[in-house]
Amino acid sequence: QSALTQPPSASGSPGQSVTISCTGTSSDVGGYSFVSWYQQHPGKAPKVMIYEVTKRPSGVPDRFSGSKSGNTASLTVSGLQAEDEADYYCSSYSGSNTWVFGGGTKLTVL
Amino acid sequence: QQQLQESGPGLVKPSETLSLTCTVSGGSISSSTSYWGWVRQPPGKGLEWIGSIYHTGSTFYNTSLKTRVSMSVDPSKNQFSLRLASVTAADTALYYCARHFAAAAPFDCWGQGTLVSVSS
Repeated sequence: QSALTQPPSASGSPGQSVTISCTGTSSDVGGYSFVSWYQQHPGKAPKVMIYEVTKRPSGVPDRFSGSKSGNTASLTVSGLQAEDEADYYCSSYSGSNTWVFGGGTKLTVL
Repeated sequence: QQQLQESGPGLVKPSETLSLTCTVSGGSISSSTSYWGWVRQPPGKGLEWIGSIYHTGSTFYNTSLKTRVSMSVDPSKNQFSLRLASVTAADTALYYCARHFAAAAPFDCWGQGTLVSVSS
């Protein structure tokens, strides 16, 4: 279970869109439609923003969207707002009741 | 709404065993669909799934840790626990307990986390 690969940082100005990638293998991201994205503000526990690749939990703004192509999943944040500045982690089910996380991406709103 | 709260020593000596407990409130740990997991985060680093346990006691561990990890559940106390043996400084981290509704479901409810330092 090797960690999924994310860019260490991403940035955008308020109102812009930014996309964060998450690359795995056919044993995790590419093999299942169970990719989740978590938002973590400093000193806080992670919060799920996207699950099953594209689904948003109740209460998550529709500015957050997810997609997947092959072994790479992506999180897009549209209409960036100051409160979106946080660390974002992807996670994938990797079979046999196991999970793997990405290394995290620090999103900066310029 | 369920709440999770981690508890345990904040300091563990190298080579000893780290033991943490997660207390679940606002619902039964024996829910027929819920899995209960542990995730850790070394200071300034990313998240790492440690393992999960089903309410029946079935366990699933990260392969990189499975030789040192054990988990258990105590329905009578609505708690589940983590034990990590032979710890080193690399095990210093913020340890979170979390719930997921099915094996492949996201972790949708988290504790606040507890910092465990490994040092002599």
